[in-house]
Amino acid sequence: QVQLVQSGAEVKKPGASVKVSCKASGYAFTGYYLHWLRQAPGQGLEWMGWINPNSGGTNYVQKFQGRVTMTRDTSISTAYMELSSLRSDDTAVYYCARPSGYYEYWGQGTRVTVSS
Amino acid sequence: QLVLTQSPSASASLGASVRLTCTLSSGHSSYPIAWHQQQPEKGPRYLMKVNSDGSHNKGDGIPDRFSGSSSGAERYLTISSLQSEDEAEYYCQTWGTGIQLFGGGTKLTVL
Repeated sequence: QVQLVQSGAEVKKPGASVKVSCKASGYAFTGYYLHWLRQAPGQGLEWMGWINPNSGGTNYVQKFQGRVTMTRDTSISTAYMELSSLRSDDTAVYYCARPSGYYEYWGQGTRVTVSS
Repeated sequence: QLVLTQSPSASASLGASVRLTCTLSSGHSSYPIAWHQQQPEKGPRYLMKVNSDGSHNKGDGIPDRFSGSSSGAERYLTISSLQSEDEAEYYCQTWGTGIQLFGGGTKLTVL
């Protein structure tokens, strides 16, 4: 079965960077885009962008351009999302998700806390 | 502009039925949407895709108590025989070229 397993919770100081991983299994990793989203405490879901695991091509939502980098390692079927220059309002749970238009499969989420 | 609108909250009694609504903005009534459930302190779970003609396809393991339908620009999620574990936030989602969009979510309380 399809599974997306994310890395564990992180606590970072303002100005630092965080890198979250998403390991895929149960399907051909290079056959589907992977998207990244986040959810701030008590808030809704916010789309951040996607990576094409086959080509490595990316598309970032304008809000995050310049601060986010999405990469992948096809040898271990893992995608990464790195967010830099962290601020307190980046405190959120970050999700990877595999779309077929809609998000059919989700990772379990990675809590990132930004605090001095 | 593509917007999804959901009521912030809904409630219904244990064993009853409830219908949640997601409304597409003007000019976008043909768009399909997807429903996702997010139980407290958990990640989202895909429930089903609902097309403009009311047809829907559910995710793996989603009980028959969950169904979808459409009318015009409205997309519905109906949950029958409500159980305590149905208490959750429900989000609708749509997509297009270069865009992924969510409604604000409806918090369902099972009384």
